[in-house]
Amino acid sequence: GDSVTQMEGPVTLSEEAFLTINCTYTATGYPSLFWYVQYPGEGLQLLLKATKADDKGSNKGFEATYRKETTSFHLEKGSVQVSDSAVYFCALSDLMGRDMRFGAGTRLTVKP
Amino acid sequence: EAQVTQNPRYLITVTGKKLTVTCSQNMNHEYMSWYRQDPGLGLRQIYYSMNVEVTDKGDVPEGYKVSRKEKRNFPLILESPSPNQTSLYFCASSTRQGIDYGYTFGSGTRLTVV
Repeated sequence: GDSVTQMEGPVTLSEEAFLTINCTYTATGYPSLFWYVQYPGEGLQLLLKATKADDKGSNKGFEATYRKETTSFHLEKGSVQVSDSAVYFCALSDLMGRDMRFGAGTRLTVKP
Repeated sequence: EAQVTQNPRYLITVTGKKLTVTCSQNMNHEYMSWYRQDPGLGLRQIYYSMNVEVTDKGDVPEGYKVSRKEKRNFPLILESPSPNQTSLYFCASSTRQGIDYGYTFGSGTRLTVV
C-alpha cells in the first residue's frame, strides 16, 4: 500500500541555519503530497502541498518540490527561526481520496 | 471561525470503562476521520466517514467504534478501553473534493488508560 518515509529526528539547528527534512513516498499513481506542522500541544496544521509532479509548494519560507522521478518531497527552509521548532509530518493522499498517509514525524528544535 | 472541536482535551480512565471522545466540525465537510498518534509511528487512521451513515475501517480499528448520524459530528467510542489505547487522538475533516487540499485537524485528545 501507499506509504511515506521521512528522516528520523530529532533535528537540532541553530537559528538562521538551513533546514532539509527528507521525505520519500511509495504510491500507485500520482498522489497529492503534503507537509503538516505540529506545534507543542496543538493539532496538525497544513504547511504546504503539491498536487502534481514538479509542483512546488511554499508557505512561511518553507518549500518542497514534488519529484516524481525520485518519489520525493523534501522540505527546505533557508533560514530557520526559534519559532519553527515543531514536529513536521510528510503525508500523501491516496488515489481514492479516502485516506491521508503520514510519515512518523521529525522533531525540529531551533536554538537561539 | 472554521474549526474542528474535540472534547475532552485530556482524559484519564480505567481499563474497561466505556468512554466517548466527541468531534464536531462547523465547515459542512463531508469527510471526517480519526487518527491516533504514537511516538515513532506517526499518525495511523482508526476510522473514517465519507458522509452521513457511511463509515469504514482504517488501519487500526480494533477496540474502537464510530458513528456518523449527523454531518457535523463524528464521535469515537471505546467500549472497553485497554492500556494499549493510551495515545493522542486527532479528529480531522475535509470536503470530499478537498481531500487533495488537506485536512483540518482538531487540537487532540490525550487519553491515558490505567
